[in-house]
Amino acid sequence: GQQLNQSPQSMFIQEGEDVSMNCTSSSIFNTWLWYKQDPGEGPVLLIALYKAGELTSNGRLTAQFGITRKDSFLNISASIPSDVGIYFCAVFTNTGNQFYFGTGTSLTVIP
Amino acid sequence: DADVTQTPRNRITKTGKRIMLECSQTKGHDRMYWYRQDPGLGLRLIYYSFDVKDINKGEISDGYSVSRQAQAKFSLSLESAIPNQTALYFCATSDFGTSGALYQQFFGPGTRLTVL
Repeated sequence: GQQLNQSPQSMFIQEGEDVSMNCTSSSIFNTWLWYKQDPGEGPVLLIALYKAGELTSNGRLTAQFGITRKDSFLNISASIPSDVGIYFCAVFTNTGNQFYFGTGTSLTVIP
Repeated sequence: DADVTQTPRNRITKTGKRIMLECSQTKGHDRMYWYRQDPGLGLRLIYYSFDVKDINKGEISDGYSVSRQAQAKFSLSLESAIPNQTALYFCATSDFGTSGALYQQFFGPGTRLTVL
């Protein structure tokens, strides 16, 4: 299967700090997605990116689709306790019409 | 009510037992998926279905089978459970056709399976 390398694997930050995580691939993808999984629940889509170089915001979240189409990053500004969870990057491929997920970044926010 | 439901939410079983996990959706989506989540490995695709007559193997289908009983129902079976199938299992749906809709999946709450 496709490999998405997501880093860091985990983060422990103070409330109010900014967070940055990224996702890279050895292959080109035309759609990049970022999901959040709250404890005990399924992942929920945060941001979808469809165009290389695109920068998209959703409240305190900002994500960018890398110009090479092989990477993406997600930033969270002014973190709050409810940001706790696992963040996954994902890509969609027209080959087989499948989604592939990264290994996740576990975020802990210390009040 | 939740759009994608999974039953049971938790299950403990013994090695060699047959077990079925069920997924139902009210979103009216054609496409349904089963994933497995293990710590540090993310979500890995087991099987997916684009309609009632279409079943496809995913990345890790060995030891699993599926049945698409209706557009709204997609079940995952472990014919003879083994301990390394202990994991969190998620069902998901997606639509096709509406601009942007194909690229979003909606996940159920998950089933935590433990095989002793």
